[in-house]
Amino acid sequence: EVQLVESGGGLVQPGGSLRLSCEASGFSFSDSWMSWIRQAPGKGLEWVAHINPDGSQKYYVDSVKGRFTISRDNAQNSVYLQMDSLRPEDTAMYYCTKLTLWGKGATVTVSS
Amino acid sequence: DVVLTQSPVSLPVTLGQPASISCRSSQSLVYSNGDTYLHWFQQRPGQSPRRLIYEVSKRDSGVPDRFSGSGSGTEFTLKISRVEAEDVGVYYCMQHTRWPHTFGQGTNLEIK
Repeated sequence: EVQLVESGGGLVQPGGSLRLSCEASGFSFSDSWMSWIRQAPGKGLEWVAHINPDGSQKYYVDSVKGRFTISRDNAQNSVYLQMDSLRPEDTAMYYCTKLTLWGKGATVTVSS
Repeated sequence: DVVLTQSPVSLPVTLGQPASISCRSSQSLVYSNGDTYLHWFQQRPGQSPRRLIYEVSKRDSGVPDRFSGSGSGTEFTLKISRVEAEDVGVYYCMQHTRWPHTFGQGTNLEIK
């Protein structure tokens, strides 16, 4: 089955860390650009990070630069988002996507 | 950053009637290779986004032909020829010509 499945979301205190994982199946993952896009509660979509097929190129929106790290393991068909120094404004649903395919999302809540 | 401005923000439509959403960009979305990376997404209530149209006017697989996209440079339009009940949701334009990739603020289509 062609799908993306996110995991690793949860509740974390401000300043804390979380690592999101996304496992891909059913398509050629190692040939695909992959992205993390988030959606704050009741809000629109925001592109967070983007990685090329071999992992050599990574792009981040300014608001997460220096705090978030995107990575991938093509042998495991997985992409990751390491989130450090989390802020309340990072609270959102985080989607793993290759634009033509989206996961169901992982909920991240940053609150004390 | 490229700002995408959608109008209207709210779009009440009678079943069977046409609908049109505008997306205006603060910069030209023509890439150096001549392609224009402007896409349209649909997000039904409680669901992940789904891409409908890519590169201005190309319909994704499985998208009904009542959806069409047009435009060039900085002005783009998504049209639905005859709105059906399943079309309710929020529609976003998105550009990935320039980093950071950005989304419009969304247009909420509802049935009158």
